[in-house]
Amino acid sequence: GAVVSQHPSWVICKSGTSVKIECRSLDFQATTMFWYRQFPKQSLMLMATSNEGSKATYEQGVEKDKFLINHASLTLSTLTVTSAHPEDSSFYICSARDYKLAGVGNEQFFGPGTRLTVL
Amino acid sequence: GQNIDQPTEMTATEGAIVQINCTYQTSGFNGLFWYQQHAGEAPTFLSYNVLDGLEEKGRFSSFLSRSKGYSYLLLKELQMKDSASYLCAVRGLTTDSWGKFQFGAGTQVVVTP
Repeated sequence: GAVVSQHPSWVICKSGTSVKIECRSLDFQATTMFWYRQFPKQSLMLMATSNEGSKATYEQGVEKDKFLINHASLTLSTLTVTSAHPEDSSFYICSARDYKLAGVGNEQFFGPGTRLTVL
Repeated sequence: GQNIDQPTEMTATEGAIVQINCTYQTSGFNGLFWYQQHAGEAPTFLSYNVLDGLEEKGRFSSFLSRSKGYSYLLLKELQMKDSASYLCAVRGLTTDSWGKFQFGAGTQVVVTP
């Protein structure tokens, strides 16, 4: 099956610093990737849609200047949390959409997640 | 937008059957998905429905009624490893929501010996 990786798996940083999280589709091309955030015992909340070669689209309430998304290739999207604060501590999960499977059914594949802790 | 409701927690014994219900209201629908998520891990795909009816995949089955905005996930022959959160997710159809998933809050299933 399709594999999506995320790096790093976990990261601890100081308040005010920036953190970059990578999401890679390892065996397929993903024109679209999605970034989610999950707080403890809560569901996944979609933050933004990352489209290869164009600007990301953000969900309502998500600050685009704080959560920078770059989707420079068909296999890589990055999320940069800028000037991180303790309230940004969360589990960040990406998913990648295999356009070849569009309309077939299960076309999105999730990465293993990145746990961010901001001190 | 989409409102997705599912119970918070369910408890069942090993070997039993559990049914997790999910109701949704959506402006555009392109499939309902069920995922399993263990604590601290990413969701893993279980089943999906686009058309009304029952889809069976081994011990897991999922049902959809689009007219009622209702789905359920049926877990049979429960095993201890099935203790996890089960997420109901609706995939969007409208231009600005194509491919997007909206997730329910998840149902924590606890399997007891």
